[in-house]
Amino acid sequence: SQTIHQWPATLVQPVGSPLSLECTVEGTSNPNLYWYRQAAGRGLQLLFYSVGIGQISSEVPQNLSASRPQDRQFILSSKKLLLSDSGFYLCAWSVSRSGNTIYFGEGSWLTVV
Amino acid sequence: AQTVTQSQPEMSVQEAETVTLSCTYDTSESNYYLFWYKQPPSRQMILVIRQEAYKQQNATENRFSVNFQKAAKSFSLKISDSQLGDTAMYFCAFIPNTNAGKSTFGDGTTLTVKP
Repeated sequence: SQTIHQWPATLVQPVGSPLSLECTVEGTSNPNLYWYRQAAGRGLQLLFYSVGIGQISSEVPQNLSASRPQDRQFILSSKKLLLSDSGFYLCAWSVSRSGNTIYFGEGSWLTVV
Repeated sequence: AQTVTQSQPEMSVQEAETVTLSCTYDTSESNYYLFWYKQPPSRQMILVIRQEAYKQQNATENRFSVNFQKAAKSFSLKISDSQLGDTAMYFCAFIPNTNAGKSTFGDGTTLTVKP
């Protein structure tokens, strides 16, 4: 069966520091991969999605970037965090065909102080 | 661009009773999928139910069922025999068949099941 893991689960970082959140999927190949952000009490905002290695699409211009160095690995990064980057980040995957169910990781809480 | 609207920020229901959560959407796409996800206090997003837009039959999963009205662009979730474990935030989501990167989620409905 397929599983998705993301880490770290919680992170407290000072303003201006770098960020790296990592996500891996097991049990499938060539998945679509996604990074979402969820503000407190709100829905999910799609930040990045990827249909293959090195193929990243950004939905929202911001202080963050994403990379997909391997087929089942997706990394969310920032060179310099802002206070507004605080939030709950979710990595997700789906079978590489549009319209399929999106499955989510456990999420990462980021607090920028 | 798609929009998904959940007009009920909060709802409550007594244990064992039935509750319906509303969702409307707007799109120019003809082929798409609709989902309900549950997010309990653990924050894990859990798939509740999935509906293909080309299917007229409403999806059901045990105590969960949907009322899909394509012409009205409405997709409500009915929870029967509510249980305390159903307490969570529920999100309606739209994914077009043409582009998985165009997923759109509503702002959620917080459901509290009271004993």
